[in-house]
Amino acid sequence: GAVVSQHPSRVICKSGTSVKIECRSLDFQATTMFWYRQFPKQSLMLMATSNEGSKATYEQGVEKDKFLINHASLTLSTLTVTSAHPEDSSFYICSASGWALAGGGTDTQYFGPGTRLTVL
Amino acid sequence: AQSVTQPDIHITVSEGASLELRCNYSYGATPYLFWYVQSPGQGLQLLLKYFSGDTLVQGIKGFEAEFKRSQSSFNLRKPSVHWSDAAEYFCAVGAPSNTGKLIFGQGTTLQVKP
Repeated sequence: GAVVSQHPSRVICKSGTSVKIECRSLDFQATTMFWYRQFPKQSLMLMATSNEGSKATYEQGVEKDKFLINHASLTLSTLTVTSAHPEDSSFYICSASGWALAGGGTDTQYFGPGTRLTVL
Repeated sequence: AQSVTQPDIHITVSEGASLELRCNYSYGATPYLFWYVQSPGQGLQLLLKYFSGDTLVQGIKGFEAEFKRSQSSFNLRKPSVHWSDAAEYFCAVGAPSNTGKLIFGQGTTLQVKP
C-alpha cells in the first residue's frame, strides 16, 4: 500500500514552454500532497502544500504564478512549470498523505519517484 | 525554530559492518520522526517512523532507530550493511498537527565498500 506515482519521469523542454507533472496516489486517497524540489547533492526543498479542493499554500520565495499546483481530486495533483527557463531545471518530487493510511494518517508522507526536468 | 541536523555528510563502511547514521533535531516538543532512503535518481522510501511509545523503532530492510529525548536524537542503525544499502539517507521531523509538513536534514551519503 501507499504507492505514489509521478509522470513523466523525465522531461526535456525548450525555454519558454510550460511543463505539467502529474502526481497520483494509486492505492489511497491523498487529502494532502506536497511538492518538493531537489538540487544535486542537496536535501529536499518544500515548494508547496496542497489539500484536495483547496488552493495550494506556497512556501516563502516560491513563485505561485510560475509553479501552478492543482489538486482537483483525492488521487491526483499536478504541478505546471510555466514559461520554464534553464534555472528551473531540477528534480521535482511529490509526496502524499491521507486519512486512509494505517499507522500514520496525515502525518506520514509517501513519495513519488520524482521527475527530472531539463530546460534547454 | 524547528531544525534537523545530520552531522555526517558522507559515511563509508565495509559490507557486513555495522552502521549508525546520526540525526539531531530541534523542536519544542516531541516531534514525529522519520528516516527515508533515496537511491540515485529516485524518490524517497520510508524506512521507519516514530510517533510515540517504544523508543526503539524497527523498520524495513533490517534498519532500526532509537529516539532519545534527552539527546534530541533519532539515530539510524543497522547491524550488518549490504552493498545495496548504498544510498542517500534523510532524517525528517514533523509537527504533530494537521499540516503534515516535514523538515528534512541535509542527508547522509552512505558508501559501502566490498
